[in-house]
Amino acid sequence: AQKITQTQPGMFVQEKEAVTLDCTYDTSDQSYGLFWYKQPSSGEMIFLIYQGSYDEQNATEGRYSLNFQKARKSANLVISASQLGDSAMYFCAMRGQDGNQFYFGTGTSLTVIP
Amino acid sequence: NAGVTQTPKFRILKIGQSMTLQCAQDMNHNYMYWYRQDPGMGLKLIYYSVGAGITDKGEVPNGYNVSRSTTEDFPLRLELAAPSQTSVYFCASSYSRVIRGANEQFFGPGTRLTVL
Repeated sequence: AQKITQTQPGMFVQEKEAVTLDCTYDTSDQSYGLFWYKQPSSGEMIFLIYQGSYDEQNATEGRYSLNFQKARKSANLVISASQLGDSAMYFCAMRGQDGNQFYFGTGTSLTVIP
Repeated sequence: NAGVTQTPKFRILKIGQSMTLQCAQDMNHNYMYWYRQDPGMGLKLIYYSVGAGITDKGEVPNGYNVSRSTTEDFPLRLELAAPSQTSVYFCASSYSRVIRGANEQFFGPGTRLTVL
């Protein structure tokens, strides 16, 4: 069975600082994809970054990077130079080998403090 | 491209009423999904479809039905609304993984449903 675990219900970070949001996953698939989504208070789901299980380099997208440690089954999101607009819920998700379903974690609420 | 569209944005139902939540996508995605998100919680998969005419249950399908007669549309039907179905409903779509590398899901704006 596939499972995503986000152990940080809430996080605070000072503006302009970096923050790491934790995500661990459980799967027996050899091939899978890991995703991070942002959900601001307005409610929409915004795709941030993707990491494939066979990608050798950690994914980066602007201020977002994914710290992928395959042996530890972790896919932590790093946000550099936090901005007030980064305050939102962040969800980690996985797509398994069959590609049919996405499995979401329970989310981490990030608050950026001025 | 409009992306993924959902109607209505808000709806209040009485217990026992029925309704259909509409979802459409114009990206030619073959995969489509319905999720519910309860307050302060993550997303739970209700139903998904890997192509027209093919649907399958997700984690929480009870009380819901779906159909997929076209690639573009994936309506969700609530037959006998109950207070436990008060939630925000998201429709999403994606390519199959053999077509694009990332295959991320694209989400609609959501439908906020209250059952009283």
